[in-house]
Amino acid sequence: KNEVEQSPQNLTAQEGEFITINCSYSVGISALHWLQQHPGGGIVSLFMLSSGKKKHGRLIATINIQEKHSSLHITASHPRDSAVYICAVSSGNQFYFGTGTSLTVIP
Amino acid sequence: DTGVSQNPRHKITKRGQNVTFRCDPISEHNRLYWYRQTLGQGPEFLTYFQNEAQLEKSRLLSDRFSAERPKGSFSTLEIQRTEQGDSAMYLCASSFPGQMNTEAFFGQGTRLTVV
Repeated sequence: KNEVEQSPQNLTAQEGEFITINCSYSVGISALHWLQQHPGGGIVSLFMLSSGKKKHGRLIATINIQEKHSSLHITASHPRDSAVYICAVSSGNQFYFGTGTSLTVIP
Repeated sequence: DTGVSQNPRHKITKRGQNVTFRCDPISEHNRLYWYRQTLGQGPEFLTYFQNEAQLEKSRLLSDRFSAERPKGSFSTLEIQRTEQGDSAMYLCASSFPGQMNTEAFFGQGTRLTVV
């Protein structure tokens, strides 16, 4: 069993839709990270959070420590949001990664 | 300093050849991590350094793999006698000293293709 589970694995949305990607984890963490990876590209850190909620532009990330769950929301989705979104947690001396959610936004 | 830098971005090699990748972390970071990501999977931990000391290695890191960080700054990851199964994206990340609850800074990765 992976320490970090994401859902859905794949997601296709129409431009303008509200999108939610979920992440659950099973280990004690000091922080949770949402990362974005474009095809053939490296990883960009979107958020790091240990409680509550953060917002950056059209992206919102929330975390519930008691339930060991986080969500990444994208409002008014756009084709340029198409990428793989990866949830990762900091635990001990390591990061644990989910397998990613592949998002395609259709114009 | 513009972030974590990895070179080369892409490497194609013949099976059996040796390859070496380089990672330059953010200068004040003393923790450096290597990860491997195969198609459709999330990154898997390979090893990490605190300064020049290699503190942890994954069992994924077979004896054909070796990583160094000789002066506690840049790091190299070498794969000897490459196999087709080594084809993957190799990612490097760095973090602030002793702080795990800080933002992770990742390099762009080196994509290795073994033919």
